[in-house]
Amino acid sequence: KNQVEQSPQSLIILEGKNCTLQCNYTVSPFSNLRWYKQDTGRGPVSLTIMTFSENTKSNGRYTATLDADTKQSSLHITASQLSDSASYICVVGNKLVFGAGTILRVKS
Amino acid sequence: SQTIHQWPATLVQPVGSPLSLECTVEGTSNPNLYWYRQAAGRGLQLLFYSVGIGQISSEVPQNLSASRPQDRQFILSSKKLLLSDSGFYLCAWRDYNEKLFFGSGTQLSVL
Repeated sequence: KNQVEQSPQSLIILEGKNCTLQCNYTVSPFSNLRWYKQDTGRGPVSLTIMTFSENTKSNGRYTATLDADTKQSSLHITASQLSDSASYICVVGNKLVFGAGTILRVKS
Repeated sequence: SQTIHQWPATLVQPVGSPLSLECTVEGTSNPNLYWYRQAAGRGLQLLFYSVGIGQISSEVPQNLSASRPQDRQFILSSKKLLLSDSGFYLCAWRDYNEKLFFGSGTQLSVL
């Protein structure tokens, strides 16, 4: 069964700290993996999209990694800001299998 | 550049009333279009997708329907809303480079 599991479900960190969000998937066939940021009450906005051959991709303070062998991806946020508070969603494959998301809250 | 418009942003409707949510895309042609629903604290659930005018695929049986009367227009409808139809509805489109773009969403409350 195609599934995308994200962890943790929620996370609270202090402003300026780093954090890493996890995404494990069992989607087959695998074509690409996307990370989205969704502010409350808004549509998701793309952060990164990686194909099978890419191990890492950065977008400013956001860095996504992909291990296609273990079927794991992570999203690392560096020097967090209050505006990073949002839900982060992992989406896998051409059939767009969505994870439930990780809710991140950055505190001052 | 490509943009996606979705409206209204919020909607409060009584049970049993009809629904029509509209989504339009600009700056592209023949996009794949999607309707998703997101319950509070949950992931996105695919409702419908369309690969062309008049071509609609439904992922889950439900009280809703979708139509694509024009290439860049995707409409989500219901004849009679249920309480369980409440949620956050998102329209999305995917381009030939596999990029997926979302609209700003519609928060629907059925009372």
